[in-house]
Order: sequence, then structure tokens, then C-alpha cells
Amino acid sequence: AQSVTQPDIHITVSEGASLELRCNYSYGATPYLFWYVQSPGQGLQLLLKYFSGDTLVQGIKGFEAEFKRSQSSFNLRKPSVHWSDAAEYFCAVGAPGSARQLTFGSGTQLTVLP
Amino acid sequence: NAGVTQTPKFQVLKTGQSMTLQCAQDMNHNSMYWYRQDPGMGLRLIYYSASEGTTDKGEVPNGYNVSRLNKREFSLRLESAAPSQTSVYFCASNPGTAREQYFGPGTRLTVT
Repeated sequence: AQSVTQPDIHITVSEGASLELRCNYSYGATPYLFWYVQSPGQGLQLLLKYFSGDTLVQGIKGFEAEFKRSQSSFNLRKPSVHWSDAAEYFCAVGAPGSARQLTFGSGTQLTVLP
Repeated sequence: NAGVTQTPKFQVLKTGQSMTLQCAQDMNHNSMYWYRQDPGMGLRLIYYSASEGTTDKGEVPNGYNVSRLNKREFSLRLESAAPSQTSVYFCASNPGTAREQYFGPGTRLTVT
């Protein structure tokens, strides 16, 4: 069974600083990988996804993530954080060919200081 | 194109009451899902429907039932609500196999 770990429960950065959110997964082969963002009181919005190919993927709102097979990681990055990026971020893994589900990490809450 | 819609947005129930959460999608997606979100636990799958006419249990199905009414609609029923079912419930859909899921806005349920 697949699993996802987001080691950081809460991260605080200053506006304009760079950001990296960590995600580690456990899966027997190459999974499908996703990052979602959830603003307070809202549903989840897809930031980016990885299925295959180029291991550096670009998403919306200036985010990118890099798939590293050797480290079983899919970390999310942004070079310069904006106050509007304050939200909760979820990493998720899916098994190719399976309609069952995505497995979500427990989330990382991002606070942005002015 | 509304995407995934959920009703109601908020609900307060007393222990033992029943209710149905409604979900509909207009993207012609095959698969639909119900999750619950609790603080510090991410999203946990309750039930899913891989295609019209099929439903399967997820990680936390106890106390819930589902109906895939047609391709568009997937409802979640609580027969006898318990305080442990206080949570935010999300419906999601996707076109098929383990691709990205599209989420509704959620239903915040409180059981007293």
C-alpha cells in the first residue's frame, strides 16, 4: 500500500523568501504524484502533478516540484512567496492504473509573515 | 461549468439523526469519491465509485453508506450520526484511473 509523509506540520516564511515543502512517499513503483493547496474554508485545488517524464514539473501560481526517485521525494518549491500563498498544502500519491484513490499526506500549514 | 458541487455547506445534527450529503459533477467523470478531513489527519477516503453502478469501501467506511445515483451524482448517508462523525466532508471526481481528482467546496458537519 502507498503512503505519504509530510514531515513539517507548520512552516513560517517571510514574504519574498523562498519556500520548500517536503513530501516523501512509499510505493513499490513510480507513482503518480500531486500537490494540492487548500485555503481556509475552501476545497482542494490542484497545484501540479507528475505522471512520468521530466522530473521537474511546473504548476500554477509559480510553484514547481521535483520528483527524485532515489529519495522517494516530491518536494514543492517556490522562489518567492507571496502573502496569498498562506494556506495548507497536501502531497498525494496515486497508483497508476488504479481508480481506488489518492493517498494524502497530513498536510503542511504555511504562514507568511509580512 | 460548475465542476463539483456539494450540498449543504454546513449542517448541525444531533446524535442519532440521519442525513444525506449530496454531490454532483458536470465534467462527465467516471470516478467519484467521498473523503473526510480532520485536523492533522489529512484526507481519508470513506467510499468511492470507480464507475456508475459500482461502489467500494475506502479507509474509514463505518457509519456511512453511499449511492451512485447516476454518472453525475454520488451521495453519502449517515444513518445514525455520532459525534465522531463531526468533520469536513469533501466529494471529488476524476476521469478515470488515478489521475488528478477535482474537489468540491466541502460540507462542514457538526454532530452534538
